Amino acid sequence: GAVVSQHPSRVICKSGTSVKIECRSLDFQATTMFWYRQFPKQSLMLMATSNEGSKATYEQGVEKDKFLINHASLTLSTLTVTSAHPEDSSFYICSARDPRGGWEQFFGPGTRLTVL
Amino acid sequence: GQNIDQPTEMTATEGAIVQINCTYQTSGFNGLFWYQQHAGEAPTFLSYNVLDGLEEKGRFSSFLSRSKGYSYLLLKELQMKDSASYLCAVRDTTNAGKSTFGDGTTLTVKP
Repeated sequence: GAVVSQHPSRVICKSGTSVKIECRSLDFQATTMFWYRQFPKQSLMLMATSNEGSKATYEQGVEKDKFLINHASLTLSTLTVTSAHPEDSSFYICSARDPRGGWEQFFGPGTRLTVL
Repeated sequence: GQNIDQPTEMTATEGAIVQINCTYQTSGFNGLFWYQQHAGEAPTFLSYNVLDGLEEKGRFSSFLSRSKGYSYLLLKELQMKDSASYLCAVRDTTNAGKSTFGDGTTLTVKP
């Protein structure tokens, strides 16, 4: 199947700093990528849909000024958690659909963010 | 909106068969996925149903009834490595095809 990578896999930062997470589709072009957040023992919560060349579509309750999404190319989307606080500590996962295939999503390996 | 229900936890014995149910109520439906997620890892795709009926893929099968808003994932010949969380997800009717995920069912396979 298609491959999606994320970087970094783990990050620890101080409260008030900003953290950037990259999501790349390695062997296909993705006009749309999705960003999820997952708390321990909970399911995936969709945060936003990242659209190449246009603004991201945020889900209700997700602050667009806090979670900045940039989808500058067909293979790269970035999520920046601005002014991070301990409550932002979570597992962040991106996914993309390979337009050459079916509708299933291919997930990156996730980024574990810990805010001290 | 979307409302998806799955049992929280299930336990089964190695070599047995287990059925994980998923019911959904959605404003728009364009297919249902099952994903497997091991602890600390990203989900991996298992199956996709858009029409009624049973889709079989090796030890895993998935069933869909759109009129009942119901799906199940059937796992046969259970192995210890099948211990994981199983996520039911419904694809909506937007062009982006975003999915809403259920809370997942944690399956524990015992010897």
